[in-house]
Parts: sequence; structure tokens; C-alpha cells
Amino acid sequence: NAGVTQTPKFRILKIGQSMTLQCTQDMNHNYMYWYRQDPGMGLKLIYYSVGAGITDKGEVPNGYNVSRSTTEDFPLRLELAAPSQTSVYFCASSWSGVGQETQYFGPGTRLLVL
Amino acid sequence: GESVGLHLPTLSVQEGDNSIINCAYSNSASDYFIWYKQESGKGPQFIIDIRSNMDKRQGQRVTVLLNKTVKHLSLQIAATQPGDSAVYFCAENMSSGYSTLTFGKGTMLLVSP
Repeated sequence: NAGVTQTPKFRILKIGQSMTLQCTQDMNHNYMYWYRQDPGMGLKLIYYSVGAGITDKGEVPNGYNVSRSTTEDFPLRLELAAPSQTSVYFCASSWSGVGQETQYFGPGTRLLVL
Repeated sequence: GESVGLHLPTLSVQEGDNSIINCAYSNSASDYFIWYKQESGKGPQFIIDIRSNMDKRQGQRVTVLLNKTVKHLSLQIAATQPGDSAVYFCAENMSSGYSTLTFGKGTMLLVSP
């Protein structure tokens, strides 16, 4: 299994541009998550999904959108990029969110907004 | 709001020493805790977890201790190796019904040969 994969690895955007960060998992996990990590900080939850067709906001959802049309894919959309969205974005997945379940992380996408 | 935090931002040790990384949490309702290791340029990697009905759990060279009385979590790494150099995060599960984790800021562990 490849686990959780993310593309692209790195991207530079101009202010106002849009882009989609891709995330795919091949572990048949129901739950998927998007986090951002700012320099020297922990991870903050942007959005999560408990299954295909179901998404919910996390701690810092403003400026982002998600969709979950399949179990495997959970893309993150930035519509109008802002410098404050410069960060490293991590996608994660877990089998079940009910109870206690560890999450498996992808390698991250580094985004720079200028 | 309640959050997970770390006492020490950077810990420097010599190879072969034992390392202890500490974490404080403030939400008494949290019942699941995880330690992650993050190497430079990579995503967090699961190390070990512990549930609130346990005080101690051991893995390979790692031990996690949970003190619910003072809301304190620690990660002990035995015989620290240069490959252990990384940022270590503790995370807590808020028991909201979904597995949403709250992460601390992280501690950088630097191991000198």
C-alpha cells in the first residue's frame, strides 16, 4: 500500500489565484483530514470527512473548501489564495473516528503565496 | 480554549542518553493521547499511543507515561540515537465522537553523536 499520497509537493501561488491540493489514500479508511502546519507550530485541523459525501469544518476552515466524492480522495480547494495561507498542508486518514484511532499522514504539500 | 502544550521547545542530548519529552494537556475529558515524530520535510509518523485507563505503555525503546492527576504526558526514549532527531508532537483526542486530534506545538529533539 502507498498509504496517504499528496500532490503537488510544492507550489508557489500569486495572491488571488486558486488551486486544489490532492490527497488519496489506499487503505480504505473512512475518515480523512486536512491540516495546516505553520513554522514552529503544531497542526491545525482545516476540514475533515467521515465518509464519502460528508464533510465538516475543523478549527481553521476559512478560505478553504473540500469535497469527498469517493472514499479514496479528499481534495482541498483554495479559491482566492492569500499570504496567510502560506503553510505546509498535511492530509491524514484513519479507519474510524469513533473512539480512539490513530491517523496516518501524507508527506505534505508546501505552499507559498506571494 | 483548552489545548495541548509542551514544556520544552528544544531538547539536546548525547547519543546513548535517555530522552524525556514532556507534554501538558488541559482537557480532563481527553481519553486518548498519541505521540508523533516528524522528521524534516516529512509528515508526522505515529510512535505510540495511550488510553486514559492506562498509566504507562511501552514500545520498542519508547515509553509513554500518563499522569491524569496533573494532566501530564511524557515520552521516554531509551538509548537515543541520531536517527531520533526530529520534532515530537503530542496530540489528544477530544472524545467528541470523531477522531479529531488537538496537537501541541512540538519539541525538537537534537541528538549529538
